Amino acid sequence: DAGVIQSPRHEVTEMGQEVTLRCKPISGHNSLFWYRQTMMRGLELLIYFNNNVPIDDSGMPEDRFSAKMPNASFSTLKIQPSEPRDSAVYFCASNLGLLPRAQHFGDGTRLSIL
Amino acid sequence: DQQVKQNSPSLSVQEGRISILNCDYTNSMFDYFLWYKKYPAEGPTFLISISSIKDKNEDGRFTVFLNKSAKHLSLHIVPSQPGDSAVYFCAASVEGAQKLVFGQGTRLTINP
Repeated sequence: DAGVIQSPRHEVTEMGQEVTLRCKPISGHNSLFWYRQTMMRGLELLIYFNNNVPIDDSGMPEDRFSAKMPNASFSTLKIQPSEPRDSAVYFCASNLGLLPRAQHFGDGTRLSIL
Repeated sequence: DQQVKQNSPSLSVQEGRISILNCDYTNSMFDYFLWYKKYPAEGPTFLISISSIKDKNEDGRFTVFLNKSAKHLSLHIVPSQPGDSAVYFCAASVEGAQKLVFGQGTRLTINP
């Protein structure tokens, strides 16, 4: 079974550039989560979707961050313009249902903003 | 405001012995708790969970204990194996909510 697939695995770009991270959830899962992991703040939830609809985006740090889920099998997290403090590992996760239960994580995108 | 805290950044245990990882939480509304394991360059993988209606859940070598009055949970690994060397995160959610709040993680090293 294919797990959550994230691309790219690594991204290095210059400050001010637009960055787009991509995620394909596990087939059949109807909830999708975007997390960011940093040394200072640990693993924090940015936004999550149920049935392609954003439910809670309170973790999105600034208006420079946006996320979309145009269909059940694809989501993007965009940063425009990017800043060095956005450097982190970004994880996507998915699960099935509305109840709290284990989320399945992708292997992450390591983002470096120079 | 760290609602889920793992106060030990690292732990070193001899192979074959018991590993005990601890987690404290402050939000009394949390009622579902999970442990995740993370290897370098990989995403966290689910290990074991416990609902607040229980005080213990066991799965093979892994047991999670929940002490609601102390707002404390722990993960026991017996016996510890070299493959258990990883970062362990505890996470919690409020009843009816999907949102998980994670601790900072504890790096477990199993020594041969």
